[in-house]
Amino acid sequence: DVKVTQSSRYLVKRTGEKVFLECVQDMDHENMFWYRQDPGLGLRLIYFSYDVKMKEKGDIPEGYSVSREKKERFSLILESASTNQTSMYLCASSNPGTAHQETQYFGPGTRLLVL
Amino acid sequence: QQPVQSPQAVILREGEDAVINCSSSKALYSVHWYRQKHGEAPVFLMILLKGGEQKGHEKISASFNEKKQQSSLYLTASQLSYSGTYFCGTERQGAQKLVFGQGTRLTINP
Repeated sequence: DVKVTQSSRYLVKRTGEKVFLECVQDMDHENMFWYRQDPGLGLRLIYFSYDVKMKEKGDIPEGYSVSREKKERFSLILESASTNQTSMYLCASSNPGTAHQETQYFGPGTRLLVL
Repeated sequence: QQPVQSPQAVILREGEDAVINCSSSKALYSVHWYRQKHGEAPVFLMILLKGGEQKGHEKISASFNEKKQQSSLYLTASQLSYSGTYFCGTERQGAQKLVFGQGTRLTINP
C-alpha cells in the first residue's frame, strides 16, 4: 500500500521560529510536492521537486524554502514563521508523467499554528 | 491562476444527483479530480485528458469540454460515503504541476 507520511499532525510554533516540516514517501516516486490548504482557497502549491536536489517554485513560494537530499524525503522550511503561515500543509508524491501528470498521493497533513 | 469550482458547497439527500464544475481561463491539457474526506488526505478519483473520453468509475463520472476549458464531475444516486470536499486539478501542456481549484464541499444527508 502506498504511503506518504508527514512528521507531525499538529504543530504549534512562535513567530520568528524556524520550522521544519518533513515528508517521506515509500513509493520510490521522483516527484514530490508541498501544498498549503486554507478554507476557501483550496490547495496551493508552494514548491515541488522532480529529482534529488532539484526544486522548483510553485505558486506561493514566498517565505518558504525546501530541501531534498534523498529521493524519499522532502522537507519544507519556514525560515522565520509568521502568523499568516498558520495553515494545513500537505505533502504529495507522484511518478513522472510522460504525456501528462500522474496521480498524486497525499500525506495526512500537518496543521501548523503560529502564535 | 486557479481554476474556479462551482458550487462552493452543496447539500443533498442520499440518492440525489450532483454536478460539480471546474472552469479555467487557460488552455488545459488534463483535468484531475480528487476527493478529501474530513480529516483525511485527498484521494485521486479520475483524470480527463485532452482528446480523451469521459472517464469514471462506479456512480462517479466526469467530462472535459476542451473548447470551454471546463470539466464537470457527475455524482449519480449519491451515497453517504460521497461526502467530502472535491478538488479539480488542472494541467497545462508542458507544465510539471497541477493547479487546484478552491474545492467544493459536498454533504450527503440520510
